[in-house]
Amino acid sequence: AQSVTQLDSHVSVSEGTPVLLRCNYSSSYSPSLFWYVQHPNKGLQLLLKYTSAATLVKGINGFEAEFKKSETSFHLTKPSAHMSDAAEYFCVVIPNTGGFKTIFGAGTRLFVKA
Amino acid sequence: DTEVTQTPKHLVMGMTNKKSLKCEQHMGHRAMYWYKQKAKKPPELMFVYSYEKLSINESVPSRFSPECPNSSLLNLHLHALQPEDSALYLCASSQPYDRALYGYTFGSGTRLTVV
Repeated sequence: AQSVTQLDSHVSVSEGTPVLLRCNYSSSYSPSLFWYVQHPNKGLQLLLKYTSAATLVKGINGFEAEFKKSETSFHLTKPSAHMSDAAEYFCVVIPNTGGFKTIFGAGTRLFVKA
Repeated sequence: DTEVTQTPKHLVMGMTNKKSLKCEQHMGHRAMYWYKQKAKKPPELMFVYSYEKLSINESVPSRFSPECPNSSLLNLHLHALQPEDSALYLCASSQPYDRALYGYTFGSGTRLTVV
């Protein structure tokens, strides 16, 4: 069975400090992993994706994530938070088994303090 | 064009009304999706159309009726909704067999309030 666990429901950082949003997954097969961001009352925007190429993935707006198979993790990082990063972040697994199954994490709300 | 456009952005409807949500994409994607998102929750899949045919209905009540007139358009017809149906309704698109490579493109959503 596949699952996604976002380890923190809320993360609060100060502007200019690093961001770490944690995601662990469980999958019988090598999955594709995505991070999406959602600003209030907006749709989901793709930040970055891992699809079995490089394990360190760079995305938009300075975000990165590293796929660690041994730890079944895909944590999202950013060296320096900006006020505009305040949003909801979803870790998403799409199994490479066909069909339309998609597993969303519960989400992590990022707060950025001035 | 790399966008999914949803209209209207906001909708308030009574429990006896009939309304429709619209979604349009011009990315050549052949799979389109309706998701429902309640506050502080991840999106929940409602319907999937693949090559204009309904592929998945996640046991959605019949007061929600999807329609895919062509490969670019997706509608969600609403009738006799309940207050608990108030939510953000998101449309998404992808290629049916490339989702694991490219993920989804989401629209900005329709904020629906049922009074």
